[in-house]
Amino acid sequence: RKEVEQDPGPFNVPEGATVAFNCTYSNSASQSFFWYRQDCRKEPKLLMSVYSSGNEDGRFTAQLNRASQYISLLIRDSKLSDSATYLCVVRDSSYKLIFGSGTRLLVRP
Amino acid sequence: GAGVSQSPSNKVTEKGKDVELRCDPISGHTALYWYRQSLGQGLEFLIYFQGNSAPDKSGLPSDRFSAERTGGSVSTLTIQRTQQEDSAVYLCASTPNPGTSLPNEQFFGPGTRLTVL
Repeated sequence: RKEVEQDPGPFNVPEGATVAFNCTYSNSASQSFFWYRQDCRKEPKLLMSVYSSGNEDGRFTAQLNRASQYISLLIRDSKLSDSATYLCVVRDSSYKLIFGSGTRLLVRP
Repeated sequence: GAGVSQSPSNKVTEKGKDVELRCDPISGHTALYWYRQSLGQGLEFLIYFQGNSAPDKSGLPSDRFSAERTGGSVSTLTIQRTQQEDSAVYLCASTPNPGTSLPNEQFFGPGTRLTVL
């Protein structure tokens, strides 16, 4: 079983749609959680950290459920520029980040 | 300021040859990571350097893989006797000195796309 699992997609949505991605992690000792964004043939970049109480950054909302070991990312009012692969990332008490395989999002006009 | 740079951006080699990949981290960043990303896959951790500490090599897939970091800055990842399954994008990332708390963000270079024929 992979340490971080994501639905690979692709999620194909029209502009303006709301879309949600889910992620599960296997290590209950995981302490920090993130969503990274990776554009095609580009390097990953931090989108947002995920906090226990949930957090929002503009159109993006991240949620964490420690009991279920589940992380989510909600994107409202999708833009064409949101098309990318979204990587779920967790860290335990060490310095290593464990990356999921990513969920691909395609936003169409 | 300058980000993480990697060279070459693309490398095509023949099976059995050795290759060297280079990473220049952000100036002042003490931690450096190497990852490998195969097509359609997530990032696979390879090795981690932090300051003068012994590197964490736990992610290296075989003894054909090795890495060095000279002077606490530039790093080279060497793959000996390359195999076709080594074909992937090799990504380098750096972070500032973690200090008393672990850094949240890793800054990635653009990667080296390695193709082994």
